[in-house]
Amino acid sequence: DVKVTQSSRYLVKRTGEKVFLECVQDMDHENMFWYRQDPGLGLRLIYFSYDVKMKEKGDIPEGYSVSREKKERFSLILESASTNQTSMYLCAAAGRENSGTDTQYFGPGTRLTVL
Amino acid sequence: GENVEQHPSTLSVQEGDSAVIKCTYSDSASNYFPWYKQELGKRPQLIIDIRSNVGEKKDQRIAVTLNKTAKHFSLHITETQPEDSAVYFCAASWNTGFQKLVFGTGTRLLVSP
Repeated sequence: DVKVTQSSRYLVKRTGEKVFLECVQDMDHENMFWYRQDPGLGLRLIYFSYDVKMKEKGDIPEGYSVSREKKERFSLILESASTNQTSMYLCAAAGRENSGTDTQYFGPGTRLTVL
Repeated sequence: GENVEQHPSTLSVQEGDSAVIKCTYSDSASNYFPWYKQELGKRPQLIIDIRSNVGEKKDQRIAVTLNKTAKHFSLHITETQPEDSAVYFCAASWNTGFQKLVFGTGTRLLVSP
């Protein structure tokens, strides 16, 4: 099984702080994703990456940036945290489409609270 | 872009009953439809998926059906058990090369003993 880990389960930050959320996968998968999960809204894609140093905007990229310097690590950055970014953040990893390894596997999530 | 609608938002059944959750999608190019189960406080986990060249897939008490003409797909759980209680998400994907999923808003299933 793909193991996807996230650096923190719970995080409390103040408005205006720069926040880093880290995600690591151990199965050499090309694709990595960041979602936020809010009640009644499901999972919404923030950014994804299909290779090292490559990134693509998802559906709600505003206020976020990402970094992928190594294949196994995908970071989500909140340049200046705001209260409306309080949410559950989920990272996922998947192999190439139609490769037989393209199931998205999720990390345990980081519950971020911005005060 | 793709839009996935999921119904109902909550579903309560008695143990042993069947449960059905329905999703509709907008993009006829969508070709991959996974279902995820998320138990309270845990990560979403894939329980079953179907590709557009198949109309139905079963795995023990769980089945998924796909109607490409109507652009909808459904999750069927038979003989429900209390441990089936969770939030279920449907999703759709199309050939982007990146396996990009669009998720439904989720269904909270409660199975009462």
